Amino acid sequence: DGGITQSPKYLFRKEGQNVTLSCEQNLNHDAMYWYRQDPGQGLRLIYYSQIVNDFQKGDIAEGYSVSREKKESFPLTVTSAQKNPTAFYLCASSIPPGPSGVRDTQYFGPGTRLTVL
Amino acid sequence: QQPVQSPQAVILREGEDAVINCSSSKALYSVHWYRQKHGEAPVFLMILLKGGEQKGHDKISASFNEKKQQSSLYLTASQLSYSGTYFCGTASRSSNTGKLIFGQGTTLQVKP
Repeated sequence: DGGITQSPKYLFRKEGQNVTLSCEQNLNHDAMYWYRQDPGQGLRLIYYSQIVNDFQKGDIAEGYSVSREKKESFPLTVTSAQKNPTAFYLCASSIPPGPSGVRDTQYFGPGTRLTVL
Repeated sequence: QQPVQSPQAVILREGEDAVINCSSSKALYSVHWYRQKHGEAPVFLMILLKGGEQKGHDKISASFNEKKQQSSLYLTASQLSYSGTYFCGTASRSSNTGKLIFGQGTTLQVKP
């Protein structure tokens, strides 16, 4: 079955540590995204990548880094520079937009809940 | 820039109807609706691509008023399984990045 997997499901981090969240997809999608969700709030875009070896900052990229070395994988590193990293992190993928605009939706992984101790 | 959803929360009895609105200050090309259960990933419901387009799935349907830059999600004869938080994601015209901008969500609770 095609889909998106994220690991781990729960992650605990001490202050000052960097942690990496995994996101893998076998949907053959070119575009991938990372979102952060805080309690009672919507989804805020951290980074996105439309193609391998290329990625752009979203609305809240400070304190985060990503890489896109393979089409299937888009790991997110939460660095010690992120002041308030406790949140639910969601990865998504989609087919890139056509010439007219966004015609295909994004499909989400199950998420990683990160807690800073 | 973030679309505004209304209401913020709704409580229904089984069998009642609800409408959730999503309004944008920007011209929209497409609107995407998702439902999220607590602690889970958002699940895609439907996408509306053209002004005036209406789509339906079972007893959940949606409309897209391009002129008003607004979309509405209609839940009829609600079931317990409809409970969750509903998000709209919007894409503006000429968006060539695939980015969606999500509203803050509307929490729907259906009671027996």
